[in-house]
Formats: sequence, C-alpha cells, structure tokens
Amino acid sequence: DTAVSQTPKYLVTQMGNDKSIKCEQNLGHDTMYWYKQDSKKFLKIMFSYNNKELIINETVPNRFSPKSPDKAHLNLHINSLELGDSAVYFCASSQGNRDTYEQYFGPGTRLTVT
Amino acid sequence: GDSVTQMEGPVTLSEEAFLTINCTYTATGYPSLFWYVQYPGEGLQLLLKATKADDKGSNKGFEATYRKETTSFHLEKGSVQVSDSAVYFCALSASTGGGNKLTFGTGTQLKVEL
Repeated sequence: DTAVSQTPKYLVTQMGNDKSIKCEQNLGHDTMYWYKQDSKKFLKIMFSYNNKELIINETVPNRFSPKSPDKAHLNLHINSLELGDSAVYFCASSQGNRDTYEQYFGPGTRLTVT
Repeated sequence: GDSVTQMEGPVTLSEEAFLTINCTYTATGYPSLFWYVQYPGEGLQLLLKATKADDKGSNKGFEATYRKETTSFHLEKGSVQVSDSAVYFCALSASTGGGNKLTFGTGTQLKVEL
C-alpha cells in the first residue's frame, strides 16, 4: 500500500499554462506539506496544512495555491507557469505538527516547464 | 533563521569502508534532527531521527548522535554497501507558531563502488 501518493509523476507543460498536482495519504495523518526540490536537489518547504487549515506559507508566489479538501488530500494548483517553476514537488504528511513527528514523503512530481 | 550545513559531496567510497557525513545546524530553541535518504528517482525516506540532546538515532547500520554542545548530528556507518548509494539529507524540525517545517541541508551524494 502506498502511504503518500502523488499524481502525476511527470508533468511537462508550456509557459503560461495552469496545472495541478494531487497528493493523497492513507496514513491517517492530520498534517500535510508541499516541498520544492530544485535542480541542485535543495529542498524547501512551501506550504503546510493541519486539519485542512493553512498554517505555513513560505513566501511562495501567489500563482501557487494549495487546497485541502479533507485531511487526506492536499492539492497544489499553479497558475501562469514560468520556467523557474521547473522542479520536483514533494508532498509529505505527519501525525500532528510537533517538531518531533517525522514526515513521510511521496514519490515526487517532476514538473518541466518549456 | 534556522539552517543546516552538510559536507559537500559527492563522496565516493569502496564497499565496506567507514562512512561519515558531517552535519551542523543553527536553530533557536531545541529542534528535532533527522537524516533522510533519497534513492535515484524516488522520494525521501526517513533514515533516523533524534529529538533531544544526547539521543542516538540508528537504523540499517547508520547512526547519528544529537550533540547540543557542538550543534552537530553527524551520520556514520561502519561498513557501507553498494546499495547505500544515494543522496543523504540532514534536516531539523522546529515548530513555528503552530506549524512545523523541515529545514534541509543541501544533501550529500554518496557513491559506493565494489
């Protein structure tokens, strides 16, 4: 059973388009996250949701809009895609939002903007 | 702000060699510390963690000790295998105003040869 799954795995699109990435976790966790990994493999948090409430928004352009329809799902919608948005996007989840709780990561979505 | 510094890679070792990957951190308060591993084309997997000073995390032959006095969390393994080839990320977790986020180091690529 896949604990944290993301769709699609690969996404190739042109500049200016709008796209969405979906994330689902079956671990029963109440906190979910989006991270961005750039071409140098540096990872940085973008958003965090706890019980469907946005609790972390790390200076991400407002072209990026996360949505959490329920505790098990966290989607990422990106408007007007730019070349610099090309990266691997990882979804993660944890049970609670205390720092002692480890985060479980999905397989990633590789976004390529041409 | 919080930060994590890892030794530069790539690191190339022969099978059965001893591994050390250095990690130091800067944080306010008392963060939890983690090592994650990323195999080629995959998401991140938790390797080990430590949540307070002097704790030792261990898993699959890897160990790391939370050293508050030197703000370090170095990863060690006594005898590496080819299957350990991956990118290793040191990270700290700190709760911030109700949210929890991982701050990652830049990652260290390990290549183990026969």
